[in-house]
Amino acid sequence: DAGVTQSPTHLIKTRGQHVTLRCSPISGHKSVSWYQQVLGQGPQFIFQYYEKEERGRGNFPDRFSARQFPNYSSELNVNALLLGDSALYLCASSFSWDRVGGYTFGSGTRLTVV
Amino acid sequence: SQQGEEDPQALSIQEGENATMNCSYKTSINNLQWYRQNSGRGLVHLILIRSNEREKHSGRLRVTLDTSKKSSSLLITASRAADTASYFCATVIMEYGNKLVFGAGTILRVKS
Repeated sequence: DAGVTQSPTHLIKTRGQHVTLRCSPISGHKSVSWYQQVLGQGPQFIFQYYEKEERGRGNFPDRFSARQFPNYSSELNVNALLLGDSALYLCASSFSWDRVGGYTFGSGTRLTVV
Repeated sequence: SQQGEEDPQALSIQEGENATMNCSYKTSINNLQWYRQNSGRGLVHLILIRSNEREKHSGRLRVTLDTSKKSSSLLITASRAADTASYFCATVIMEYGNKLVFGAGTILRVKS
C-alpha cells in the first residue's frame, strides 16, 4: 500500500507569488491534516479536513487555505507568499477526524520563498 | 505557540547506551504521542499513550506519562546509530478538530 504522498518535494517561489501543495492520503483514510514546520521547530497545525469539510484550523492568516476532494486528496494553497512562509509542509492522514490514534505523515514539501 | 517543551534540546550518546527524553505540556490532553523525524523529512509515529495510562512499551521504547505533572518521558534502550534523529512529543487537543500540538523536539545523536 502506498503511504501518504505529497507533491512536489521541493519548491522555490518568489515573494508575493501563490503556491499549491498536494497530498494524497493512505487508501481508506478520510481525514487529511496540514502542518507547517519551520527550521528548528516542531510542526504547527494549519488545517484538518474530513469528508471535504474543514474540521479544524490553526492560527494562520487567511492567506492559507485548503480543500479536500471527493477522493480524499487535499490541496494547501498559500497566497501572497512571505519569506517567513519558507518551511517544510507536512500532510498527515488518518481514518477519521475524531479517531484518537497515531497519524501517518508524508515526507513533506520543502518550500523556499526568496 | 507550542504546547510542549522537550528536554534536553540535544543529546549525544554512545551506541548501546540508553537515551531519555522528557516532554512537558500545559493543558489537559486526550493522549500523548511520540514521533521521530530523520533529516528534516516526514514524521514517523512511534508510540501513543492515553491520558489514563501511566506506562507503555514498544520494542526498545518505553514511554511514561504523569498527568499530575503534565509530563512524559521517552526511553530508548540499547541505542543504535540508526536511532539518530529528532524526537518530538505531541499532545492531542480535542477541541475544534483533532490536532496534534508538538514540542520543539530533542535532537538525538548516537555515535558508533
